Amino acid sequence: TQLLEQSPQFLSIQEGENLTVYCNSSSVFSSLQWYRQEPGEGPVLLVTVVTGGEVKKLKRLTFQFGDARKDSSLHITAAQPGDTGLYLCAGPMDSNYQLIWGAGTKLIIKP
Amino acid sequence: EAGVVQSPRYKIIEKKQPVAFWCNPISGHNTLYWYLQNLGQGPELLIRYENEEAVDDSQLPKDRFSAERLKGVDSTLKIQPAELGDSAVYLCASSLGTGSWGLFFGEGSRLTVL
Repeated sequence: TQLLEQSPQFLSIQEGENLTVYCNSSSVFSSLQWYRQEPGEGPVLLVTVVTGGEVKKLKRLTFQFGDARKDSSLHITAAQPGDTGLYLCAGPMDSNYQLIWGAGTKLIIKP
Repeated sequence: EAGVVQSPRYKIIEKKQPVAFWCNPISGHNTLYWYLQNLGQGPELLIRYENEEAVDDSQLPKDRFSAERLKGVDSTLKIQPAELGDSAVYLCASSLGTGSWGLFFGEGSRLTVL
C-alpha cells in the first residue's frame, strides 16, 4: 500500500493546455516535496511545501499543500513540451525522517 | 558548485558477477542516500547515511548488497552476486539534513544484469 498516492499515473496532453496532478495520503505530513525527473536523469527538486494551505508558484507551476497537510496538488498552466517528465511527490515520516515517495505521474506534453 | 557525481553511468554484467557503484555527494551534505528505481516508478530507499553512520538500512538486501561511507563523504554500493532482478537504476542523493530538506540526486547508474 502506497502511503502517498499520485494521480493520474499517466497524462498526455497538447501543448498549451492546463493540467493538475495530485498527491494524496491518509497520513499527515510535516512537509511535502515535488520533484521532476526527465529520462536518464535523477529527480530534481522543484519545491517544498510546509504550511497547511500554502501555495507556492514557480513560473507556470502552482503547488498547493492541503489544509490538513495530507495532500498536495501541482497545477501547470499552458503546458509546454519542456514540462514532460515524471513528477514525484515525497514526504518525511516524522517518526524516523524516512522520506516516503509516491509512484509518480508520467506527464507527456505533445507539441 | 558541483552536483552529486555518480559512476559508472551504465554497467552491463552477467548474473552472479559483482558490481560496484560510486557516489560523491555535494560538499557539506552530511546525509547521503542510495535509492533503487525501476522504470516509471518512484525511488525506493536502500540505505541512508548520516555522516559515516548507516541510520536506515532496513530495505537493503544484506545477503548480496553492501554499502560503505568510510570518511563520511564518498560512498560505494556493492552487489555480489548480481541477480537478474537487480537490473534497475541506482540513484545516489545527498542533503543538508533529514526531514524537510530537499534531496539532490546524481544522474544515476543504470545496471543491466544478463
